[in-house]
Order: sequence, then structure tokens, then C-alpha cells
Amino acid sequence: DAGVTQSPTHLIKTRGQHVTLRCSPISGHKSVSWYQQVLGQGPQFIFQYYEKEERGRGNFPDRFSARQFPNYSSELNVNALLLGDSALYLCASSQLGAGNTEAFFGQGTRLTVV
Amino acid sequence: SQQGEEDPQALSIQEGENATMNCSYKTSINNLQWYRQNSGRGLVHLILIRSNEREKHSGRLRVTLDTSKKSSSLLITASRAADTASYFCATVNTNAGKSTFGDGTTLTVKP
Repeated sequence: DAGVTQSPTHLIKTRGQHVTLRCSPISGHKSVSWYQQVLGQGPQFIFQYYEKEERGRGNFPDRFSARQFPNYSSELNVNALLLGDSALYLCASSQLGAGNTEAFFGQGTRLTVV
Repeated sequence: SQQGEEDPQALSIQEGENATMNCSYKTSINNLQWYRQNSGRGLVHLILIRSNEREKHSGRLRVTLDTSKKSSSLLITASRAADTASYFCATVNTNAGKSTFGDGTTLTVKP
């Protein structure tokens, strides 16, 4: 079985641009969560979606948005990129809502904003 | 300070020794999970321990949870060089739909 897949693996953007990151959960998993991990720190929670509805949101500005599609894949969108948005963006999927069962992480998308 | 803070920040041991990492948190939780991360790659789930459990084992891993002290520990016995990684605890509040990670413990196991 394929694990959680994220695309692209690496991305370089310019300040002010927009970016879309994609995540495909493990087959049968209905919950997808997004995290931002800055170098040297732990992952910071951004969003959680379960059954296509937003179930949790972290302390991120409105420039960050996400959605979940009928096939449970998900997109994370970031507008008006800032240098500080440079990070590893991680997607995690789980069968149930976040935390009820173990979460499986993808390898992440390394975003560099220049 | 953050929910889910790991202690120590860095740990260096010899192969074959045991490694103990601690995690403290502040608010109520439904469960607590430990993860491993190699060199900025994706996180690998190690163990989930629920708030009504006190101890859990998985191979060379042993996790304890003390909800009265709001703390957890991860013990890796008979460490190997391959255990070199960063280890994170994540506290989970299912009502809020989120997991909160600390900044991790960086473990180095010297061969």
C-alpha cells in the first residue's frame, strides 16, 4: 500500500507569490492534517480536515487555507508568501479524527521563499 | 512555553546504552504520541498511549504516562546507531482536532 504522498518534494518561490501543496492520504483514511516545521523546531499544527470538513485550525494567518476533496486528498494554499514561510510542510493522515488513531506522515514538501 | 516540551534537548550516548527522553505538557489530553524524525524527513509514529494507560511497550521502546504530573517518558533500551534521530512527543486533544508537538530531543548514538 502506498503511504502518504506529498507533492512537490521541493519548491522555491519568491516573496509575494502563491503556493499550493498537495497531499494524498493512505487509502481508507478520512482525516488529513497539515503541519509547518521550521528548521530546529517541532511541527506546528496548521489545519485538520475530517470527512471534508475543517475540524481544527492552528494559529496561522488567513494567508493559509486548505481544503479536502471527495477522494480525501487535500491541498494547502499559502498566499502572499513571506520569507518566514520557508519550512518543511508535513501532511499526516489517519483513519479517524486527529489523535484518535495513529497518524502517518508523508515525507513533506520543502518550501523555500526567496 | 509550549505544550509537549521534550527534555533533554540533546542526548548523546554509546551504542548499547539506554536512552530516556521526557515530555511535559500543560493541558488535558486524550492521548500522547511519540514520533521519530530522521534528518528533516517525515515523522515516523512510534507509540500512542491513551490518557487512561500508564505504560506501553513496543519492542525496545517503553513509554510511560503520568497524567497527574502531566508528563511522559520514552525509554529506548539497548540503543543502536540507527536510533540516531530527533524524537518528538505530541499531545492530542481530539475535541480541538489537533496534535501539539514539542521541539524534540535530538538523540545521537555513537557506534
